[in-house]
Amino acid sequence: RKEVEQDPGPFNVPEGATVAFNCTYSNSASQSFFWYRQDCRKEPKLLMSVYSSGNEDGRFTAQLNRASQYISLLIRDSKLSDSATYLCVVTNSGYSTLTFGKGTMLLVSP
Amino acid sequence: NAGVTQTPKFRILKIGQSMTLQCAQDMNHNYMYWYRQDPGMGLKLIYYSVGAGITDKGEVPNGYNVSRSTTEDFPLRLELAAPSQTSVYFCASSYRSDTEAFFGQGTRLTVV
Repeated sequence: RKEVEQDPGPFNVPEGATVAFNCTYSNSASQSFFWYRQDCRKEPKLLMSVYSSGNEDGRFTAQLNRASQYISLLIRDSKLSDSATYLCVVTNSGYSTLTFGKGTMLLVSP
Repeated sequence: NAGVTQTPKFRILKIGQSMTLQCAQDMNHNYMYWYRQDPGMGLKLIYYSVGAGITDKGEVPNGYNVSRSTTEDFPLRLELAAPSQTSVYFCASSYRSDTEAFFGQGTRLTVV
């Protein structure tokens, strides 16, 4: 099992749709969780951290399920500008690095 | 607010040549990383550093070397370039391993 696995894409949705991405991680000792966004041919940028109690930032909601070892990202009222690749990122206790999933591509169409 | 600066942005190398990818950050971050990203793939860690004078291998270190003589700089050295090293290279830095990582704009390297 890969360390961090994400839904294969791409997800094609119309503007205004709600879309959800899932991510599973293999190391039960993982401590920190993030969603990053990467636009085509650009560097990744932090979208939001994921907290144990779940957290929301505008149209974006992130949730963590430690028992099942998965993280989710919900995007409501999709905009054209949300088109990008969304990367699930995990850090593990005792390690000094970020482990990235392969990413899920989202395409929002008019 | 420069953040993480990588140079060059693009480079074409011939097989067997060597080069150094430069990375500098001005945020006084202890942690610095080098990743490579192949088309349609995720980021793979090459090397990382938790502070000046300390470096360690990541997932795919073969064919690369790094040094960290200062907090600001973390150059990546490619010796004897091979076509398999054609990729986009990203440098990143963070305050701790569990805080936001800031990325440079990337270096697109082609080895022919």
